[in-house]
Amino acid sequence: NAGVTQTPKFQVLKTGQSMTLQCAQDMNHNSMYWYRQDPGMGLRLIYYSASEGTTDKGEVPNGYNVSRLNKREFSLRLESAAPSQTSVYFCASSEAWQVGGYTFGSGTRLTVV
Amino acid sequence: ELKVEQNPLFLSMQEGKNYTIYCNYSTTSDRLYWYRQDPGKSLESLFVLLSNGAVKQEGRLMASLDTKARLSTLHITAAVHDLSATYFCAVGNNDMRFGAGTRLTVKP
Repeated sequence: NAGVTQTPKFQVLKTGQSMTLQCAQDMNHNSMYWYRQDPGMGLRLIYYSASEGTTDKGEVPNGYNVSRLNKREFSLRLESAAPSQTSVYFCASSEAWQVGGYTFGSGTRLTVV
Repeated sequence: ELKVEQNPLFLSMQEGKNYTIYCNYSTTSDRLYWYRQDPGKSLESLFVLLSNGAVKQEGRLMASLDTKARLSTLHITAAVHDLSATYFCAVGNNDMRFGAGTRLTVKP
């Protein structure tokens, strides 16, 4: 099925550990995004990539890095995880000329202890 | 910076009643979206509104947009239990910003 695939679905990290969240889409979209969702705060944009080879900071980029590996894949890296990064992370993709909104992945629930 | 505010944040309704969720945003934008999220699930796109006065309806939900007031509404008609979910409005294109969400609970 076409869509956005995120891995892993669940992860527990210890403070200071690093990890990479993976995201891939098969809809040939140019734009991809990483959001985090915390209770009562909606979704906040971490980074986005408007096209292959470009990345830009969103609202809350501190503590994260991203890589747009190719048109399909956009990864999010936590170099030194902190408890404040405990959240649900969503990847999404879109095509600028389409008006249907973003297509979201199923999310990664990350707990940092 | 674009700010998006929704109210109310929590809404408990009786089945069969009507209610409206409000979404205000701070700067001009050419697109406004409404999404639905069920507990533990991802987001599902409900509506996209592109122009002043736009109105979209799907079942018991109707969304409208007033770009001059920077206001969108999501009206719920004769609520049913299946509408219980969290509803988000979002504004923008390449860097969409979301409201905090309205958690709707419809009680029998």
